[in-house]
Amino acid sequence: DAGITQSPRHKVTETGTPVTLRCHQTENHRYMYWYRQDPGHGLRLIHYSYGVKDTDKGEVSDGYSVSRSKTEDFLLTLESATSSQTSVYFCAISEGGYSYNEQFFGPGTRLTVL
Amino acid sequence: GENVEQHPSTLSVQEGDSAVIKCTYSDSASNYFPWYKQELGKRPQLIIDIRSNVGEKKDQRIAVTLNKTAKHFSLHITETQPEDSAVYFCAASQGEGFQKLVFGTGTRLLVSP
Repeated sequence: DAGITQSPRHKVTETGTPVTLRCHQTENHRYMYWYRQDPGHGLRLIHYSYGVKDTDKGEVSDGYSVSRSKTEDFLLTLESATSSQTSVYFCAISEGGYSYNEQFFGPGTRLTVL
Repeated sequence: GENVEQHPSTLSVQEGDSAVIKCTYSDSASNYFPWYKQELGKRPQLIIDIRSNVGEKKDQRIAVTLNKTAKHFSLHITETQPEDSAVYFCAASQGEGFQKLVFGTGTRLLVSP
């Protein structure tokens, strides 16, 4: 597995509380992504980053924000968690460029919002 | 934006049979089409990918075909084995770049001994 970790791996929280998930890579890859995985929906892109301080929205970005202050770390924040954000969250990285498209996924974080 | 549809949602085969999973996409600018395999409780992992300038690609027992005119691509697994049992996701790049992907909803493949 590529050098990519996520923390925490499991979290239970209550509606209305802020939550931050961390993705850390040791590969020095340019691109980092946050996806959520829900039954019947596959993997849906929340936000992605194409460099330090460079981020953009994905298809399901409402209610989420991200930050990338260092190449190796990409944070996903739920400002005020809702039950609809209960999901498994995957971080992914890719090197970028024409020949380096593969996205490597982290182990995932299971988030439950009560 | 891009929309990717994947069929079937579940597929059961006997060991040794072939399995075919099909995907369609909507954005004619898409040019990169990867397939990921996800075993139960694990992370998705790339098994094969194809770019728009190629019509077919093979890697041992797996192959992918692409029809850009019809906007569909397929995964073919031959001589299936129980360890092929997993959920398979297709994806298509959004727009002309390679970095943003839109995933299909997945196919659960069950290979029975």
